[in-house]
Amino acid sequence: DTGVSQDPRHKITKRGQNVTFRCDPISEHNRLYWYRQTLGQGPEFLTYFQNEAQLEKSRLLSDRFSAERPKGSFSTLEIQRTEQGDSAMYLCASSLVAGVSYEQYFGPGTRLTVT
Amino acid sequence: AQSVTQLGSHVSVSEGALVLLRCNYSSSVPPYLFWYVQYPNQGLQLLLKYTSAATLVKGINGFEAEFKKSETSFHLTKPSAHMSDAAEYFCAVSEYGNQFYFGTGTSLTVIP
Repeated sequence: DTGVSQDPRHKITKRGQNVTFRCDPISEHNRLYWYRQTLGQGPEFLTYFQNEAQLEKSRLLSDRFSAERPKGSFSTLEIQRTEQGDSAMYLCASSLVAGVSYEQYFGPGTRLTVT
Repeated sequence: AQSVTQLGSHVSVSEGALVLLRCNYSSSVPPYLFWYVQYPNQGLQLLLKYTSAATLVKGINGFEAEFKKSETSFHLTKPSAHMSDAAEYFCAVSEYGNQFYFGTGTSLTVIP
């Protein structure tokens, strides 16, 4: 068990460019979550997957954001036509849903800076 | 609707003193409640969780929290602060274990 990993750890991009982040969850975990965290705030839910199915998306999630988990393992989060307001830390978490256990294990995050 | 309020964005305690971080929640159904800790440049780490079993929950590093339904609270405590406890602490609520809502966090400073 190597934990949740995210790549890249840092990304600087110019406004209008597309960016893609990757998350590798803990191998046996069936749920995967994406969050956004800005300075001084707690993580804000974006979306989550159970296996390969995307079950919920935040109503606050712009159409410029899309996430996939094609084989129920790793996931990607793509932001199209980035804006300065997209600058944030993007966190991924995974969990094994069993009984009433909903423990999430978080990755180190990808820090996005849009210039 | 689910929400979490953490009273006090910054808390300072002396080393060895009691740590008390406050969390109040709003939920239309019996919630699942969590406390996470975040050290600088690291991801969040689960401290403890309440999932409708015992109301007093013990976690890692000597932390514990008590679920009080009548007060809609889930305050985090530790009897004796250690320098290594300095970090950001987040309370989170989930009604059905799908969406999780986090508070804005409390930054804990431990004074030697």
